[in-house]
Amino acid sequence: RKEVEQDPGPFNVPEGATVAFNCTYSNSASQSFFWYRQDCRKEPKLLMSVYSSGNEDGRFTAQLNRASQYISLLIRDSKLSDSATYLCVVTLNAGNNRKLIWGLGTSLAVNP
Amino acid sequence: DVKVTQSSRYLVKRTGEKVFLECVQDMDHENMFWYRQDPGLGLRLIYFSYDVKMKEKGDIPEGYSVSREKKERFSLILESASTNQTSMYLCATADSRGYGYTFGSGTRLTVV
Repeated sequence: RKEVEQDPGPFNVPEGATVAFNCTYSNSASQSFFWYRQDCRKEPKLLMSVYSSGNEDGRFTAQLNRASQYISLLIRDSKLSDSATYLCVVTLNAGNNRKLIWGLGTSLAVNP
Repeated sequence: DVKVTQSSRYLVKRTGEKVFLECVQDMDHENMFWYRQDPGLGLRLIYFSYDVKMKEKGDIPEGYSVSREKKERFSLILESASTNQTSMYLCATADSRGYGYTFGSGTRLTVV
């Protein structure tokens, strides 16, 4: 089983739609959780951190469910500019370092 | 804003050549990382460094070496480039606790 799993998609949605992505992780000792966004042929950029209490940033809402070991990202009122790949990232303590484990990403295409 | 600069956006090299990929950051971050990203395989950690002259192997170090002579600069070296090293190479930095993870814009290397 992969350490971090995401549905690769692609998700094709019309503008204005609500879309949700899930990400599951296998190690219950995972400590921090993030969503990154990566545009085609560009570098990943931090979209938002994910907290147990859930957090919202405008049209984006992230949730963490530690019991079931998954995190989710909800995008409301999708825009064309939301088209990208969304990467789920989980961190583990590894000695003195913090190890990041990346999902393969979920591709989103928002259509006019 | 953390700036992470990679020396080349696109690079074409011949099989057997020695290749240097440079990464420079301007935010005094202790941690620096080299990843490669390939379709279907996602981001894979090659090497990382948590201090000057320190280096640690990541998940796929074979065929690569690194150098960190100064805090702001982390170099990835392909001693003898091979076609299976054709990939997108991404440098990233983070502070001493592993936070503030930021990527450079990437180098797309083609080995012919």
